[in-house]
Amino acid sequence: RKEVEQDPGPFNVPEGATVAFNCTYSNSASQSFFWYRQDCRKEPKLLMSVYSSGNEDGRFTAQLNRASQYISLLIRDSKLSDSATYLCVSFPPYSNYQLIWGAGTKLIIKP
Amino acid sequence: NAGVTQTPKFQVLKTGQSMTLQCAQDMNHNSMYWYRQDPGMGLRLIYYSASEGTTDKGEVPNGYNVSRLNKREFSLRLESAAPSQTSVYFCASSEDGQGLMNTEAFFGQGTRLTVV
Repeated sequence: RKEVEQDPGPFNVPEGATVAFNCTYSNSASQSFFWYRQDCRKEPKLLMSVYSSGNEDGRFTAQLNRASQYISLLIRDSKLSDSATYLCVSFPPYSNYQLIWGAGTKLIIKP
Repeated sequence: NAGVTQTPKFQVLKTGQSMTLQCAQDMNHNSMYWYRQDPGMGLRLIYYSASEGTTDKGEVPNGYNVSRLNKREFSLRLESAAPSQTSVYFCASSEDGQGLMNTEAFFGQGTRLTVV
């Protein structure tokens, strides 16, 4: 089993809709998580950090569910510019700088 | 604001050839990293450098070497390229690796390497 697993998608969503996807992690001791966004053929860029209380930034909300070991990303009022691959990242304790990356969920927003 | 600069952006090598990927950051970050990204897989850490003068192996170091030339520059060398090293390579930096839970990793634009 991969340490961080994501549904690869693609999620095809109409503009203006709300979309959510999850990411599961296997190391129950992990406490830090991140969502990165990666546009096609570009480098990853940090979208949000996810701590125990979750995080919200405008149309984006990230939640952490420790009991079921997953984090979620919710995008409200989706825009065409939200089309990208969303990478889930965990930072297990004592991992010696090794962020654990999911393979990403591809999101396509359609007009 | 250049951030993290990688060169080259594209490269085709023949099996057995060598090359060095260059990376420089202008954010005065302590930590620098080399990742590879393959289809259907997450980013995998090849090597990292927590500070100038130190380097350590990551998840997939075989076939690679690195040099932290100074605080700004971190290079990745393929001594004898193999088709399995065909991938997209990203250099990244962060302010403080130990505090990674609170800091953001900044990435270069990537190097698309094909080994034939």
